[in-house]
Amino acid sequence: GESVGLHLPTLSVQEGDNSIINCAYSNSASDYFIWYKQESGKGPQFIIDIRSNMDKRQGQRVTVLLNKTVKHLSLQIAATQPGDSAVYFCAENENFNKFYFGSGTKLNVKP
Amino acid sequence: GAVVSQHPSWVICKSGTSVKIECRSLDFQATTMFWYRQFPKQSLMLMATSNEGSKATYEQGVEKDKFLINHASLTLSTLTVTSAHPEDSSFYICSARDIVRNTEAFFGQGTRLTVV
Repeated sequence: GESVGLHLPTLSVQEGDNSIINCAYSNSASDYFIWYKQESGKGPQFIIDIRSNMDKRQGQRVTVLLNKTVKHLSLQIAATQPGDSAVYFCAENENFNKFYFGSGTKLNVKP
Repeated sequence: GAVVSQHPSWVICKSGTSVKIECRSLDFQATTMFWYRQFPKQSLMLMATSNEGSKATYEQGVEKDKFLINHASLTLSTLTVTSAHPEDSSFYICSARDIVRNTEAFFGQGTRLTVV
């Protein structure tokens, strides 16, 4: 399958700071991307998505940026909270087909 | 949001036995369900795509005779790990697509399989 990888395996931030999690993907035909949050022992939880015809999308405290030129995706979390501590995965999708996941970044939020 | 339920959440079985894992979409119809496998501290690896009423499509390297998938209805897909061995111990997760929205995939809570 396609290769979706992450630059940073672990990210530690102070509570209240902003977090940026990065993701690189390899399939230039991917047209839909999702960020998932996974807490220990649980299934992935949808955070935010973006289509390839957009370069930015904002949620409540999260923003996803898409740079198709360099095939890069990022998730920005504003005012990071202890409850944000989890592993974050990006997933790519082409034409409503299968989702392939990146390797994941563990986010540690220090109080 | 839509709910996907997996059962059981945790199972321990003896080596050589078979284990069935169920994945149900509770409040929507899912024509397509996906099965993933996740080892500790690793990402989700897609195993197969399950389409209602047809044979599952397996990813390269996944043994179809080892991991039997059945998707008999729009709300239920099952994964059976046959003749389980300790190396099959893993976290198995299903996801389902809402055919109306046809975008976001909703995930079950996962099943932790331990083969002893």
